[in-house]
Amino acid sequence: SFALTQPPSLSVAPGETASIHCGGDNIGSKGVQWYQQKPGLAPVLVIYYNVDRPSGIPERFSASNSGNTATLTITRVEVGDEAVYFCQVWQTTRDPVVVFGGGTKLTVL
Amino acid sequence: QVHLQESTPGLVKPLETLSLTCSVSGASMRSYYWSWIRQSPGGELEWIGNIYYSGSTKLNPSLKSRLTISIDTSKNQFTLRLTSVTAADTAKYYCASGVVSTYFESWGQGALVTVSS
Repeated sequence: SFALTQPPSLSVAPGETASIHCGGDNIGSKGVQWYQQKPGLAPVLVIYYNVDRPSGIPERFSASNSGNTATLTITRVEVGDEAVYFCQVWQTTRDPVVVFGGGTKLTVL
Repeated sequence: QVHLQESTPGLVKPLETLSLTCSVSGASMRSYYWSWIRQSPGGELEWIGNIYYSGSTKLNPSLKSRLTISIDTSKNQFTLRLTSVTAADTAKYYCASGVVSTYFESWGQGALVTVSS
């Protein structure tokens, strides 16, 4: 079955750039979504279809997807960006299924 | 703005049936796909399945044999039933929606379900 691999943690200083990677076999051929989840809250969609931002999501959030790796990039990181970030794809097989990555905890030092 | 609210079954005994209802406001049920997603105590997200207003469903193959998702558009609700639950089904259960089936734009606050005798 298709699996998405994320590093469990990443630490950055305020004002720096965070790059969160999501690995999967030929993930570049799929549409990737990214969600932000803060403690005690539901996930929030921050990127859909690889590069699109829902309304209300700051331009500091961007993403790319190529080959076997998708990447969420957060520029000028703020303390409020501290959260767990999940990648997600829709796997089109005989029985279509949604697959989530394991999540990356972003700590803003 | 779609608003979703899960019911709160709380504690379910092993081998019994888990039932959850999601109440929808702020949107027509004909405009979205309606999904269930759960999050384990360890934090992993697992897609359970979705339903369209027509009643058409897509279910996670790993849960399909125990799973029913139904919809009642007259009540603006959709429901999850999971039979023969075990401790592995202990999780926070979210209902969610999207204009397409491939991602989730709106989420409920989540309902914690514990399977224990």
